[in-house]
Amino acid sequence: SQQGEEDPQALSIQEGENATMNCSYKTSINNLQWYRQNSGRGLVHLILIRSNEREKHSGRLRVTLDTSKKSSSLLITASRAADTASYFCATPFTGGFKTIFGAGTRLFVKA
Amino acid sequence: DTEVTQTPKHLVMGMTNKKSLKCEQHMGHRAMYWYKQKAKKPPELMFVYSYEKLSINESVPSRFSPECPNSSLLNLHLHALQPEDSALYLCASSQVVGKTGELFFGEGSRLTVL
Repeated sequence: SQQGEEDPQALSIQEGENATMNCSYKTSINNLQWYRQNSGRGLVHLILIRSNEREKHSGRLRVTLDTSKKSSSLLITASRAADTASYFCATPFTGGFKTIFGAGTRLFVKA
Repeated sequence: DTEVTQTPKHLVMGMTNKKSLKCEQHMGHRAMYWYKQKAKKPPELMFVYSYEKLSINESVPSRFSPECPNSSLLNLHLHALQPEDSALYLCASSQVVGKTGELFFGEGSRLTVL
């Protein structure tokens, strides 16, 4: 069964707007990660937030984590057409070896 | 650019064929993974190797046979596959010591089973 569920499943915005994606998970975690996947290609690690952190920034990315609600959000500010991709949250288990991915959000940024 | 290299990028095979997917990394990672991804779905874990030993097998059918010849290489041997096995197969690697679970992925091998 999937650990993370994400919403929305798909998101279409104009260039320059902000995009927010949400992820929920079921069990306790050490950290939560976000990955990006361009169509038909490999996944790229974007950002990791530890369970004792509430917010983290990396460039135009902002990630929040609420362990009491078992949820996380990824905000991409000032989106660009090149941000068009699928975004997955992921949580590692079993000493970090078993990383389970959420269903993903497909983001489309219109130029 | 990815530091995990997968070959071939595309593979078409019949149900009676035997083929192999290959993965190589030179980041010194001692954990390597195979994931399977169907269209519009998240990657699903298949196998995990740690220090060249199989540590996780997610109940994958025996027609998929993994092999880790050394710390840099990971193979996935394919035999008697079914059309529903058509998917993108992703290899990944990660550190073991001080592990956060951050994965480094290859670009994948797109498999079509006829």
